[in-house]
Amino acid sequence: SAVISQKPSRDICQRGTSLTIQCQVDSQVTMMFWYRQQPGQSLTLIATANQGSEATYESGFVIDKFPISRPNLTFSTLTVSNMSPEDSSIYLCSAMGQAYEQYFGPGTRLTVT
Amino acid sequence: GESVGLHLPTLSVQEGDNSIINCAYSNSASDYFIWYKQESGKGPQFIIDIRSNMDKRQGQRVTVLLNKTVKHLSLQIAATQPGDSAVYFCAENTLGQNFVFGPGTRLSVLP
Repeated sequence: SAVISQKPSRDICQRGTSLTIQCQVDSQVTMMFWYRQQPGQSLTLIATANQGSEATYESGFVIDKFPISRPNLTFSTLTVSNMSPEDSSIYLCSAMGQAYEQYFGPGTRLTVT
Repeated sequence: GESVGLHLPTLSVQEGDNSIINCAYSNSASDYFIWYKQESGKGPQFIIDIRSNMDKRQGQRVTVLLNKTVKHLSLQIAATQPGDSAVYFCAENTLGQNFVFGPGTRLSVLP
């Protein structure tokens, strides 16, 4: 299994600012993903982080709002830009192994005031 | 799209009893399924998986059953313990594409 870490674990930010979340995997993985989870709800896929190319975004999510980087096979960042209170959520990084098994990081709890 | 509503289905089970958590999946072409456990304040934890060429798979105290005919997945937890209290999500995958997650079920273990 892959061990995934995220930084920061939580943050409180002012509206209009941006926050970059880092995700590190302890082994090389085929795919990395970013999810958002509202309290009491299921997971919503934001985008697939592609190594060496632009991320693939799901419907309702755009690069200007959620720029993503993946400079190598074990690291990715998600930026939440120009934040509003509606962006308050848990942001989860995940990684997929070669047999398609998917593991998650501990999440970043974001509160926007 | 995102799930709506803040009230997850809840299953309450007496400590020591067996728990059965159900999940209906949407895509008949899905060929790989994972059950996750998510405790408060933590990320989803991989519990057990099953591929579509199997009907049943057992782990430590957990069993996953797959019924492809009716697109139904279940997670059975034997001798449920207080530490099993969490939200459980099923996830389906089709041909290595993105996983689709179910709405989740909250398991509450009663002393």
